[in-house]
Amino acid sequence: SQQGEEDPQALSIQEGENATMNCSYKTSINNLQWYRQNSGRGLVHLILIRSNEREKHSGRLRVTLDTSKKSSSLLITASRAADTASYFCATDRNSGNTPLVFGKGTRLSVIA
Amino acid sequence: GAGVSQSPSNKVTEKGKDVELRCDPISGHTALYWYRQSLGQGLEFLIYFQGNSAPDKSGLPSDRFSAERTGGSVSTLTIQRTQQEDSAVYLCASSRTSPGELFFGEGSRLTVL
Repeated sequence: SQQGEEDPQALSIQEGENATMNCSYKTSINNLQWYRQNSGRGLVHLILIRSNEREKHSGRLRVTLDTSKKSSSLLITASRAADTASYFCATDRNSGNTPLVFGKGTRLSVIA
Repeated sequence: GAGVSQSPSNKVTEKGKDVELRCDPISGHTALYWYRQSLGQGLEFLIYFQGNSAPDKSGLPSDRFSAERTGGSVSTLTIQRTQQEDSAVYLCASSRTSPGELFFGEGSRLTVL
């Protein structure tokens, strides 16, 4: 069953604009991860944020985590056409050794 | 190899046939996952191997699906008596620790006619 749900399902922006994607989840977690998938390819890990962290940066990526609201956001600043992809959040339940469960993803289109 | 390797990359089969999909994880990675992704959809968890522990099979959709991991390395996902709804991309991933960063293969695209 889906643990994380991304919002919006699809997002279209102009190059240079910022893109914000959100993820909500249901149960307590150890950490939350964001992945990117280019069409027809495997997923690539972007960033991991632990449950005791509130914000993390990596290059043009900024991730926030609000455990009280069970939500996370991924911000891509100064977007480029090459950022066009699907973005997924993944969580593991905070109860023993559990697998990562992915949401349905946000399809981002960056128009040059 | 340097990354997770999956084979075949594409498989077309007839309804009712059995198929085997192979995953060769990154050397030293103790955790191995299988996911399924239908066209334009998210990832559906199938099965998870962690070290010598019993696998978590809670995501397998039916008893036609099974998987094994031999010697803590290569894994094979077997689908018996394939159905058209089994058509999807089957993704394998491995990680050094669990939970941790997953490294994905490029997937095996299965088409059941």
